[in-house]
Amino acid sequence: DVVMTQSPLFLPVNLGQPASITCRSSQRLVHSNGNTYLTWFQQRPGQSPRRLIYEVSNRDSGVPDRFSGSGSGTDFTLKISRVEAEDVGVYYCMQGALWPPAFGQGTRLEIK
Amino acid sequence: EVQLVESGGGVVQPGGSLRFSCAASGFPFSSYAMYWVRQAPGKGLEYVSGISSNGDTTYYANSVKGRCTISRDSSRNTVYLQMGSLRVEDTALYYCARVLQWEVGPDVWGKGTTVTVSS
Repeated sequence: DVVMTQSPLFLPVNLGQPASITCRSSQRLVHSNGNTYLTWFQQRPGQSPRRLIYEVSNRDSGVPDRFSGSGSGTDFTLKISRVEAEDVGVYYCMQGALWPPAFGQGTRLEIK
Repeated sequence: EVQLVESGGGVVQPGGSLRFSCAASGFPFSSYAMYWVRQAPGKGLEYVSGISSNGDTTYYANSVKGRCTISRDSSRNTVYLQMGSLRVEDTALYYCARVLQWEVGPDVWGKGTTVTVSS
């Protein structure tokens, strides 16, 4: 099975500063159709997960443009250009290219 | 409004069984595959099971294979997860989520139903 490894696991950030989370997969996430399926979710305290980005870099509807995703193959990054208070929570990457789907361990973002 | 509402959780002894339900509304249920994802207390997300939009195809994580059955009833817009031979490590919040395309993961999640397996 594919193993997803996130870093850092804890990310303290000052308001207005950028933040970056890395997700590494144990296998290349290129589907047989040629697409790369890496998804990012946000889970705010006490809430259900919310999908932010799919297929590496496509933002879901309503997601602020300060969130961006990039990467290829086995290495992927979620960036927040300027962290706001509402961004506090845990961020998960998930691969859907290879069965079974797998989540990373999560990265907890907090405000310094 | 798109909504997923889970029910059926509770406290059960090891070896027991439970049946979760997830009632969907606000979208064409038959057009979406459905997932169950769980989250143990203070832990991360774990895929449990999935079912295709027409119910013909089902998938299970290795951790629950042989102990779980997922099903759906389009007349009731509901997806079910039957879990048996429950273990302490099955204690978690179980989320139902809708999936338009398997590979990109769920775009709508319910609030979850809690299962505690304890003697």
